[in-house]
Order: sequence, then C-alpha cells, then structure tokens
Amino acid sequence: DTGVSQDPRHKITKRGQNVTFRCDPISEHNRLYWYRQTLGQGPEFLTYFQNEAQLEKSRLLSDRFSAERPKGSFSTLEIQRTEQGDSAMYLCASSLLTGFNEKLFFGSGTQLSVL
Amino acid sequence: QQPVQSPQAVILREGEDAVINCSSSKALYSVHWYRQKHGEAPVFLMILLKGGEQKGHEKISASFNEKKQQSSLYLTASQLSYSGTYFCGTEGYSGGGADGLTFGKGTHLIIQP
Repeated sequence: DTGVSQDPRHKITKRGQNVTFRCDPISEHNRLYWYRQTLGQGPEFLTYFQNEAQLEKSRLLSDRFSAERPKGSFSTLEIQRTEQGDSAMYLCASSLLTGFNEKLFFGSGTQLSVL
Repeated sequence: QQPVQSPQAVILREGEDAVINCSSSKALYSVHWYRQKHGEAPVFLMILLKGGEQKGHEKISASFNEKKQQSSLYLTASQLSYSGTYFCGTEGYSGGGADGLTFGKGTHLIIQP
C-alpha cells in the first residue's frame, strides 16, 4: 500500500492555459474522488468515480473542468482556460466501498496557482 | 448540500475537553470525521452509520443522531497533537445508495500547553 499519489505537487500557470493533474489511487480501491480546497475552507466536492464510471459531478463545477478514469485505475483532472479563481489545492481521495461503509484516503494534493 | 459545523474555532488548554457539532439539512446515511493539520491532507478519524451509534477512538468519540441529522465529535483531555482542523463529511441518499461525501467548512482547534 503506497497510498494515494498525486502529480504534480505544485503547478503555476498563466491565465488561459490548460492544466492536467494526475491521481493514482490505492490499487484495490474502486472509488476515486476529486475535491478542491481553498485556504480556510473544507474540501469542496468536484466529482467522483466508481471504477471507470463517473457517478456524480458537482453542479457548481464549470464545464471547463473534466475528469476521466479510463481504466478504473488512475484518474486525470483537466482544467481548460484557467482563471485566477481556479487557484486552489486539488485533492484526490480513494476508497474501497463495501456496502455503505467508506473510508477515504487522501493524497497530498496538487497546489495550483493561476497568475 | 454542505453540512454546517460549529464552532468555527476553539482554543483550549492541554487537558481540556471540546465538542464539535455537525448538522445537515438532508437525510443522512452516515457521518465521517476527518482531521487536517496545516499543509497536510485530511486524515480519517471515524465513520458513524445511521442508527444513532456512538464510536470512540482513544480519547476522541462521536455520536450520530439520525433523526436530528446531527453529529458531535467529543475530544476529552485534549493533547497538543489534537490541534488541527476537523471536518465532518456527510453522505445522503441517492437512487442507488449512498451518494458522494460532502464536507463542512471545518472547525479549527488550537491546543495550547
């Protein structure tokens, strides 16, 4: 068990550029979540997958955001035409859902700064 | 819908007790509690499932009142290591079962020696 890993740890980009983040969950975990967190706030739900299926996407999420989990393993989160308001920590978490009992393991996050 | 946590911040002396509350406007299946230290990822503390159960983890315990859609986290005889931000996460019901986990804004806990 190597934990949830995210890459890169930090990303600085200019407004209008596209960025992509990667998350590698714990290998046997079937659920994968993306959250966004700004300073002093709780993690804000973005989307989640069960295996390769995207089950839910936040209604507050702009269509500039897209996520994939093509083979039910790693996932990518892409932000197109970045804006300064996208600056935040992007957290990935994975879990092994058994029944309704779910424990999330978080990665260390990708800190995005949009200049 | 995001659960509401109270208080927003607590400052304690080492050895004192604290209670952190979490309430939701929707029917809940479960409540989760996580702790996050500055610059680190949130770490799981416990899950409480419907049925009004209470759980304990060392000197940290929690209760879940399904009817009131509320949960409380109890920290007794606090230690310096308890400092951090505590988040509750709630799961409601969707057509196929539990939906995704939604977190509150957090309660900042500072333990002073």
